[in-house]
Order: sequence, then structure tokens, then C-alpha cells
Amino acid sequence: QKEVEQDPGPLSVPEGAIVSLNCTYSNSAFQYFMWYRQYSRKGPELLMYTYSSGNKEDGRFTAQVDKSSKYISLFIRDSQPSDSATYLCAMIGGSYIPTFGRGTSLIVHP
Amino acid sequence: GAVVSQHPSWVICKSGTSVKIECRSLDFQATTMFWYRQFPKQSLMLMATSNEGSKATYEQGVEKDKFLINHASLTLSTLTVTSAHPEDSSFYICSATTGHSYEQYFGPGTRLTVT
Repeated sequence: QKEVEQDPGPLSVPEGAIVSLNCTYSNSAFQYFMWYRQYSRKGPELLMYTYSSGNKEDGRFTAQVDKSSKYISLFIRDSQPSDSATYLCAMIGGSYIPTFGRGTSLIVHP
Repeated sequence: GAVVSQHPSWVICKSGTSVKIECRSLDFQATTMFWYRQFPKQSLMLMATSNEGSKATYEQGVEKDKFLINHASLTLSTLTVTSAHPEDSSFYICSATTGHSYEQYFGPGTRLTVT
């Protein structure tokens, strides 16, 4: 079992839909949780960053961490075609080096 | 803020030659820089971690003599792929941390094609 599991998709939704992206993990030492967005042929860019459990909201994006279930989510409200990208979750535990999920490809069609 | 650049953005080289990729933090001093490799539709694979003025720490399975990393200053790290072969063709991405948090700031990546 990999430390971080993420469904690669693709996930295809219509414009305006609410998108839910998820990762599960097995390492209970993970404390910091991040979501990156990566457009094709580009480097990842940090979207959200949370520590421990709870929710964090930034505009149309909400990151949710449930440490008891070892499950994290990223919600995108009112999705736009420009949100089409690969979304990678990443987690940090004892060291400062993150463990990345393989990414979920999201396609938002007009 | 926290911008990382990479150069070149893409390169094609012949088998057996060496290629150098530069990674620069433009508006901050990077205490640590990371080099990743990414295959199509795959996640980021960490190759090595480097701190300024120190030898890089390579991940298991990454040949340090093939992938030479130099972290000469707090704003510049270079990755040299020596004696490149077609199987080295990939997307190479660097990232850097400011030292104030765990967030990594990524460069735009370099696509290497070895013919």
C-alpha cells in the first residue's frame, strides 16, 4: 500500500459543478497537508496549505482534513474550465520532505 | 513572491551528451532546493535534496554520478544529466523552500528529450 493514495481520474464535470478531490493516507505522522494544481507541461503551484484537522477556505476552494479517517479533500465550488488541471495532494510528517499523491486529472467542460 | 525559475524550459540533446538545468529562486533565498522527475500522468518522483554549500542527498535508486547536483548559492541550484540516454527523457522540476515553512515553490519544469 502506498503512503498516499489518490485516484488519477480523469474526473470530468460540467462548468459550475462542485468538485470533490480526495486523498487517503496511511502514515499517522503526517501533520501538514497541501494541495497543488499543475497545468499541463508546467510546474505545480501551491493552492492550499493546512495543518492538522479541520477546514480551510480560500475563495472557491475549501480544503478539509480528517485525521481520524486519514482522509483529505479539496472542494472547488462553481468550477470553471480554467480549473482543468491535475491536482496533487502532498503531506509532510517527521521530515520536511513531502509525500505526493499521483494527482487527479480534472476536466471542466463548458 | 516566492518565484522559482528554470532554464531551459525544454531541451533536446543527443545520446551521450550532458545537459545542465538551472533552478533559481528569484525573490527569496532558498535554504533547500529539491529536484523531481515526472513521467506522463505520474506523480512527482523526488530525485535529490540539496542545501546551499552541501552535497546533495540523493533518493534511493538515483545515480549520483549521472545526475550531478550543485547548489552553489542560496538562489541557484543546477542539475546536470551526464551521458544522457533516451530513458532519461522526462520532465524535470525543481522546487525550493524559504526555510520559514514547509511549503515548496516549484519551477515551471524542464522537458528533456534525448534522441
